[in-house]
Amino acid sequence: ETGVTQTPRHLVMGMTNKKSLKCEQHLGHNAMYWYKQSAKKPLELMFVYSLEERVENNSVPSRFSPECPNSSHLFLHLHTLQPEDSALYLCASSQDREQANNYGYTFGSGTRLTVV
Amino acid sequence: GESVGLHLPTLSVQEGDNSIINCAYSNSASDYFIWYKQESGKGPQFIIDIRSNMDKRQGQRVTVLLNKTVKHLSLQIAATQPGDSAVYFCAERDSRSSASKIIFGSGTRLSIRP
Repeated sequence: ETGVTQTPRHLVMGMTNKKSLKCEQHLGHNAMYWYKQSAKKPLELMFVYSLEERVENNSVPSRFSPECPNSSHLFLHLHTLQPEDSALYLCASSQDREQANNYGYTFGSGTRLTVV
Repeated sequence: GESVGLHLPTLSVQEGDNSIINCAYSNSASDYFIWYKQESGKGPQFIIDIRSNMDKRQGQRVTVLLNKTVKHLSLQIAATQPGDSAVYFCAERDSRSSASKIIFGSGTRLSIRP
């Protein structure tokens, strides 16, 4: 257990479904991230939240909608996904660059998403 | 569907030998570098980091070397063990980024021969 917990671990959803991925951290970090890891590409940064405000969105399609209600929780809401969205979705947390000397991320184990 | 996998560079090492995994970066504004290890079914795990004002840092059985002149980073693993089998990612952070945003390389798969 890394201190970053993601649920569910596996998810199969149809293209018309709506689902949400959840991430929770108990490390006292103030920045959280969503990454996509697929077989065709290296780790892709999707969203960055720092101090609960979204500071970066790397042109992710609107069918992915993040939510960060507080510094410990992060959600990724999914709707009308495509088969090419099937991937491992990883959540990570860290201290913001102004808060600490170590900027390394702590990752969760990911949610393996399959869109059918 | 995804019928073609990402072809990662692969390093095959005899158990007990030392492993050296290399990484090139292109952003001269990067000031912080990290190596991660990802085992099957798990998220990436922090191994060791190094700041741009250093050229070497050692951990337990691992050493990271940074050559800023040629923008090269390497991870050395001493006495490689079966448990070291994983994909290893180098990552860098741009000193100009407003948040602690880290960009990952494509990874190297390390396999251990018995």
